[in-house]
Amino acid sequence: GAVVSQHPSWVICKSGTSVKIECRSLDFQATTMFWYRQFPKQSLMLMATSNEGSKATYEQGVEKDKFLINHASLTLSTLTVTSAHPEDSSFYICSAQRSGRRETQYFGPGTRLLVL
Amino acid sequence: AQKVTQAQTEISVVEKEDVTLDCVYETRDTTYYLFWYKQPPSGELVFLIRRNSFDEQNEISGRYSWNFQKSTSSFNFTITASQVVDSAVYFCALSEANAGNMLTFGGGTRLMVKP
Repeated sequence: GAVVSQHPSWVICKSGTSVKIECRSLDFQATTMFWYRQFPKQSLMLMATSNEGSKATYEQGVEKDKFLINHASLTLSTLTVTSAHPEDSSFYICSAQRSGRRETQYFGPGTRLLVL
Repeated sequence: AQKVTQAQTEISVVEKEDVTLDCVYETRDTTYYLFWYKQPPSGELVFLIRRNSFDEQNEISGRYSWNFQKSTSSFNFTITASQVVDSAVYFCALSEANAGNMLTFGGGTRLMVKP
Protein backbone atom coordinates (compact mmCIF):
# COMPACT_ATOMS: atom_id res chain seq x y z
CA GLY A 1 0.00 0.00 0.00
CA ALA A 2 0.88 3.71 0.16
CA VAL A 3 1.38 4.37 -3.53
CA VAL A 4 1.84 7.89 -4.83
CA SER A 5 1.68 8.71 -8.50
CA GLN A 6 2.76 11.78 -10.44
CA HIS A 7 1.67 12.91 -13.83
CA PRO A 8 3.24 13.64 -16.18
CA SER A 9 6.57 11.93 -15.70
CA TRP A 10 8.24 14.09 -18.37
CA VAL A 11 7.42 17.57 -19.61
CA ILE A 12 9.17 19.59 -22.29
CA CYS A 13 7.74 23.02 -22.87
CA LYS A 14 8.56 26.40 -24.34
CA SER A 15 9.60 29.29 -22.17
CA GLY A 16 6.62 31.29 -20.99
CA THR A 17 4.12 28.46 -20.84
CA SER A 18 2.55 27.08 -17.69
CA VAL A 19 2.91 23.48 -16.63
CA LYS A 20 0.70 21.56 -14.21
CA ILE A 21 1.98 18.54 -12.33
CA GLU A 22 -0.39 16.25 -10.48
CA CYS A 23 0.38 14.23 -7.37
CA ARG A 24 -2.07 11.54 -6.31
CA SER A 25 -2.18 9.19 -3.36
CA LEU A 26 -3.71 6.09 -4.89
CA ASP A 27 -4.64 3.94 -1.92
CA PHE A 28 -4.71 6.24 1.07
CA GLN A 29 -5.89 9.66 2.13
CA ALA A 30 -3.25 12.32 2.47
CA THR A 31 -4.03 15.39 4.55
CA THR A 32 -0.58 16.77 3.82
CA MET A 33 1.50 16.63 0.68
CA PHE A 34 4.94 18.07 0.06
CA TRP A 35 6.59 19.36 -3.09
CA TYR A 36 10.33 19.09 -3.58
CA ARG A 37 12.67 20.26 -6.31
CA GLN A 38 15.92 18.57 -7.17
CA PHE A 39 18.52 20.07 -9.49
CA PRO A 40 21.08 17.78 -11.14
CA LYS A 41 23.54 16.25 -8.67
CA GLN A 42 21.92 18.05 -5.77
CA SER A 43 19.72 17.05 -2.90
CA LEU A 44 15.98 17.44 -2.59
CA MET A 45 14.87 20.86 -1.45
CA LEU A 46 11.44 21.34 0.05
CA MET A 47 9.44 23.92 -1.88
CA ALA A 48 6.14 23.88 -0.06
CA THR A 49 3.82 22.02 2.23
CA SER A 50 0.32 21.49 0.95
CA ASN A 51 -2.58 20.87 3.33
CA GLU A 52 -5.94 19.76 2.05
CA GLY A 53 -8.43 22.58 1.98
CA SER A 54 -6.02 25.33 2.98
CA LYS A 55 -3.30 27.47 1.47
CA ALA A 56 0.11 25.97 0.95
CA THR A 57 3.05 26.98 3.10
CA TYR A 58 6.05 27.94 1.01
CA GLU A 59 9.68 27.69 2.02
CA GLN A 60 11.83 30.76 2.03
CA GLY A 61 12.91 31.78 -1.43
CA VAL A 62 10.12 29.95 -3.26
CA GLU A 63 7.81 32.30 -5.15
CA LYS A 64 4.22 31.42 -4.34
CA ASP A 65 2.92 33.29 -7.39
CA LYS A 66 5.15 31.30 -9.66
CA PHE A 67 4.59 27.88 -8.12
CA LEU A 68 0.86 27.56 -7.55
CA ILE A 69 -0.19 24.69 -5.33
CA ASN A 70 -3.71 23.40 -4.98
CA HIS A 71 -4.72 20.57 -2.64
CA ALA A 72 -8.43 20.32 -3.25
CA SER A 73 -8.98 16.75 -2.12
CA LEU A 74 -7.43 14.21 0.21
CA THR A 75 -5.87 12.36 -2.71
CA LEU A 76 -4.75 15.08 -5.09
CA SER A 77 -2.35 18.00 -5.00
CA THR A 78 -1.26 19.96 -8.05
CA LEU A 79 1.77 22.14 -8.67
CA THR A 80 1.54 24.64 -11.49
CA VAL A 81 4.73 26.26 -12.70
CA THR A 82 3.51 29.51 -14.22
CA SER A 83 5.38 31.21 -17.06
CA ALA A 84 8.12 28.64 -16.91
CA HIS A 85 11.67 29.64 -17.78
CA PRO A 86 14.77 27.53 -18.45
CA GLU A 87 15.97 28.01 -14.88
CA ASP A 88 12.80 26.20 -13.71
CA SER A 89 14.02 23.04 -15.44
CA SER A 90 14.36 20.51 -12.67
CA PHE A 91 13.10 17.26 -11.19
CA TYR A 92 9.95 17.85 -9.16
CA ILE A 93 8.98 15.24 -6.58
CA CYS A 94 5.91 15.12 -4.41
CA SER A 95 5.30 13.15 -1.26
CA ALA A 96 2.23 12.42 0.81
CA GLN A 97 1.65 11.83 4.48
CA ARG A 98 -1.03 9.33 5.33
CA SER A 99 -3.76 11.00 7.39
CA GLY A 100 -3.16 10.12 11.03
CA ARG A 101 0.29 8.67 10.31
CA ARG A 102 2.54 11.66 9.97
CA GLU A 103 5.86 10.03 10.63
CA THR A 104 6.39 8.73 7.10
CA GLN A 105 6.18 10.40 3.72
CA TYR A 106 5.51 8.34 0.61
CA PHE A 107 7.18 9.67 -2.51
CA GLY A 108 5.96 9.90 -6.05
CA PRO A 109 8.19 8.89 -8.96
CA GLY A 110 8.96 12.49 -9.87
CA THR A 111 8.40 14.72 -12.88
CA ARG A 112 11.25 15.94 -15.07
CA LEU A 113 10.60 19.41 -16.44
CA LEU A 114 12.66 20.82 -19.28
CA VAL A 115 11.91 24.37 -20.33
CA LEU A 116 13.39 25.35 -23.69
CA ALA B 1 16.81 23.89 13.34
CA GLN B 2 17.38 20.49 11.86
CA LYS B 3 20.34 19.60 9.71
CA VAL B 4 21.66 16.46 8.07
CA THR B 5 25.24 16.07 6.87
CA GLN B 6 26.51 13.40 4.57
CA ALA B 7 30.20 14.15 4.35
CA GLN B 8 30.90 11.66 1.57
CA THR B 9 29.73 13.07 -1.74
CA GLU B 10 31.00 10.15 -3.81
CA ILE B 11 32.24 6.68 -2.99
CA SER B 12 33.60 4.17 -5.44
CA VAL B 13 34.06 0.51 -4.53
CA VAL B 14 34.61 -2.75 -6.31
CA GLU B 15 31.89 -5.34 -6.23
CA LYS B 16 31.79 -7.50 -3.09
CA GLU B 17 33.44 -4.86 -0.96
CA ASP B 18 31.65 -3.61 2.13
CA VAL B 19 30.87 0.10 2.22
CA THR B 20 29.58 2.44 4.93
CA LEU B 21 27.74 5.65 4.20
CA ASP B 22 27.94 8.21 6.97
CA CYS B 23 25.14 10.42 8.21
CA VAL B 24 25.32 12.96 11.03
CA TYR B 25 22.31 14.95 12.12
CA GLU B 26 21.43 17.91 14.31
CA THR B 27 18.14 18.43 16.07
CA ARG B 28 16.78 20.03 19.23
CA ASP B 29 13.72 17.86 19.27
CA THR B 30 13.58 14.79 21.48
CA THR B 31 11.18 13.03 19.15
CA TYR B 32 12.45 12.64 15.65
CA TYR B 33 12.77 10.14 12.84
CA LEU B 34 15.70 9.22 10.68
CA PHE B 35 15.44 7.79 7.21
CA TRP B 36 17.56 6.40 4.41
CA TYR B 37 16.45 6.55 0.80
CA LYS B 38 18.01 5.17 -2.36
CA GLN B 39 17.71 7.12 -5.60
CA PRO B 40 18.68 5.08 -8.64
CA PRO B 41 19.28 6.77 -12.03
CA SER B 42 15.54 6.60 -12.76
CA GLY B 43 15.08 9.24 -10.07
CA GLU B 44 12.43 7.57 -7.97
CA LEU B 45 13.17 7.58 -4.26
CA VAL B 46 13.19 4.13 -2.72
CA PHE B 47 12.49 4.00 1.01
CA LEU B 48 15.00 1.87 2.88
CA ILE B 49 14.45 2.42 6.59
CA ARG B 50 12.86 4.63 9.24
CA ARG B 51 14.13 4.84 12.78
CA ASN B 52 12.56 6.78 15.64
CA SER B 53 14.65 8.58 18.23
CA PHE B 54 13.66 6.22 21.01
CA ASP B 55 14.86 3.09 19.29
CA GLU B 56 18.63 2.82 19.14
CA GLN B 57 18.70 -0.81 18.19
CA ASN B 58 20.74 -1.49 15.12
CA GLU B 59 18.94 -3.10 12.25
CA ILE B 60 19.93 -5.59 9.60
CA SER B 61 18.00 -6.31 6.44
CA GLY B 62 19.78 -8.69 4.13
CA ARG B 63 23.00 -7.02 2.99
CA TYR B 64 21.94 -3.71 4.54
CA SER B 65 22.55 -2.67 8.11
CA TRP B 66 22.14 0.54 10.03
CA ASN B 67 23.96 1.82 13.09
CA PHE B 68 22.08 4.48 15.07
CA GLN B 69 24.12 6.20 17.78
CA LYS B 70 22.46 9.07 19.61
CA SER B 71 25.67 9.81 21.51
CA THR B 72 27.34 10.88 18.26
CA SER B 73 24.13 11.92 16.43
CA SER B 74 24.91 9.49 13.67
CA PHE B 75 22.89 7.06 11.61
CA ASN B 76 25.30 5.20 9.38
CA PHE B 77 24.37 2.77 6.66
CA THR B 78 26.48 -0.23 5.67
CA ILE B 79 26.13 -2.35 2.57
CA THR B 80 27.84 -5.71 2.85
CA ALA B 81 29.19 -7.45 -0.24
CA SER B 82 28.18 -4.60 -2.51
CA GLN B 83 26.74 -5.28 -5.95
CA VAL B 84 26.61 -3.24 -9.13
CA VAL B 85 22.85 -2.79 -8.61
CA ASP B 86 23.62 -0.91 -5.40
CA SER B 87 24.99 1.96 -7.50
CA ALA B 88 22.79 4.95 -6.75
CA VAL B 89 22.60 8.12 -4.73
CA TYR B 90 21.72 7.51 -1.10
CA PHE B 91 20.05 10.15 1.02
CA CYS B 92 19.82 10.33 4.77
CA ALA B 93 16.93 12.41 6.09
CA LEU B 94 15.54 13.68 9.37
CA SER B 95 12.08 14.73 10.44
CA GLU B 96 11.06 16.29 13.74
CA ALA B 97 7.71 15.62 15.33
CA ASN B 98 7.46 19.26 16.43
CA ALA B 99 8.04 20.47 12.88
CA GLY B 100 5.14 18.63 11.31
CA ASN B 101 7.46 15.81 10.33
CA MET B 102 8.89 17.80 7.43
CA LEU B 103 11.86 16.01 5.97
CA THR B 104 15.30 17.56 5.80
CA PHE B 105 17.61 15.72 3.46
CA GLY B 106 21.35 15.40 3.57
CA GLY B 107 23.34 16.24 0.48
CA GLY B 108 23.42 12.63 -0.65
CA THR B 109 26.22 10.17 -1.28
CA ARG B 110 26.74 8.85 -4.79
CA LEU B 111 27.82 5.22 -4.58
CA MET B 112 29.44 3.62 -7.58
CA VAL B 113 30.00 -0.10 -7.44
CA LYS B 114 32.29 -1.35 -10.18
CA PRO B 115 32.30 -4.92 -11.41
